[in-house]
Amino acid sequence: AQKITQTQPGMFVQEKEAVTLDCTYDTSDQSYGLFWYKQPSSGEMIFLIYQGSYDEQNATEGRYSLNFQKARKSANLVISASQLGDSAMYFCAMRGPTGGFKTIFGAGTRLFVKA
Amino acid sequence: EAQVTQNPRYLITVTGKKLTVTCSQNMNHEYMSWYRQDPGLGLRQIYYSMNVEVTDKGDVPEGYKVSRKEKRNFPLILESPSPNQTSLYFCASSPSSNQPQHFGDGTRLSIL
Repeated sequence: AQKITQTQPGMFVQEKEAVTLDCTYDTSDQSYGLFWYKQPSSGEMIFLIYQGSYDEQNATEGRYSLNFQKARKSANLVISASQLGDSAMYFCAMRGPTGGFKTIFGAGTRLFVKA
Repeated sequence: EAQVTQNPRYLITVTGKKLTVTCSQNMNHEYMSWYRQDPGLGLRQIYYSMNVEVTDKGDVPEGYKVSRKEKRNFPLILESPSPNQTSLYFCASSPSSNQPQHFGDGTRLSIL
């Protein structure tokens, strides 16, 4: 069965520093997609970054990058130069072909950015 | 403006009283999905749809029904709600499986 694990329920980071949020996944599929979403305290879900299983380069979107290690089945999110507005819940998600559009989410990591 | 619209945003109701949460998207997306979010569990997929008249179960479909009669709409139906369905619900849509989902603002359901 497919599974997403986020082992850090909560993390603190100093403003302007980089932080890594961990995500490991388990799947027997060869083709799948990995997503990260941000959920601020206001509740909306905001897409951050996507990595396809066949993508050779790690995905980057502005201050966000995805450290994709396929053999280790990890897809860690790196946020560079943290800002106070980065304080939020972060979810890792996986979508795979065997389930079509079936998507599973991790339990999330709550990030606190300190001034 | 491209958006996914859910209604109602908040609902308090009683056990057994049928309810429907509507979801509509204006982006002509093929895929639509419903999730529930509970503390410590992240988002769990209830049902998803890959096109009109094509729906499939997610991880937690028990107690829910969906339909996709039109591409833009994907209502979630609770025929006989129970207190364990108290949760925050999100509808989402996506143009394809390798593109991100656009989420609605969420519907907070409380079933007494």
